[in-house]
Amino acid sequence: GAVVSQHPSWVICKSGTSVKIECRSLDFQATTMFWYRQFPKQSLMLMATSNEGSKATYEQGVEKDKFLINHASLTLSTLTVTSAHPEDSSFYICSAFTGSGSPLHFGNGTRLTVT
Amino acid sequence: AQSVTQLDSQVPVFEEAPVELRCNYSSSVSVYLFWYVQYPNQGLQLLLKYLSGSTLVKGINGFEAEFNKSQTSFHLRKPSVHISDTAEYFCAVSGSGGYQKVTFGTGTKLQVIP
Repeated sequence: GAVVSQHPSWVICKSGTSVKIECRSLDFQATTMFWYRQFPKQSLMLMATSNEGSKATYEQGVEKDKFLINHASLTLSTLTVTSAHPEDSSFYICSAFTGSGSPLHFGNGTRLTVT
Repeated sequence: AQSVTQLDSQVPVFEEAPVELRCNYSSSVSVYLFWYVQYPNQGLQLLLKYLSGSTLVKGINGFEAEFNKSQTSFHLRKPSVHISDTAEYFCAVSGSGGYQKVTFGTGTKLQVIP
């Protein structure tokens, strides 16, 4: 149980375009989802906390106008990288929280390459 | 605030040999502890977790970890590694009770040598 599906698994886009990444909880309802960014050979950096029906909470230093997060339903959160630049190239991973003491359940990540 | 330290960025080990990946944490409150594994270009998969109770926790793929409160450690061990264990391993900590932000260590790359 507790499967998180993330799509697409990889995407290449041109500089200046926008890219949307979807994160779905397949067999449970996730009131809270998290978006992480991972640079090569580094740990996960929490970008924002996505709560269903309310605005996302962004971590310090993360541009909310650039990384738009929408959590429209209990099973879907989306991250849109707007006006992408090469420095936005990274591995983006979503995860969902199911309750106190429960581990985070991760999607398989999205490799974004901006050319 | 809490933090996690994984001192070893890379650990090479021969196949069928034992391995220990070290994790130390700091926190001013009670914690939950986790180990995750990440294979290339994939998300993280939970190996095991400590919430309370027995300090020796067994997880998937033959891994186990021991919570040591006095040493604030949660080292991961496996008595005999396989080639398929080659991956990145992350230790993580969160405060206990309700939702608490999860803090990840910087990861340890386990390289199993045939």
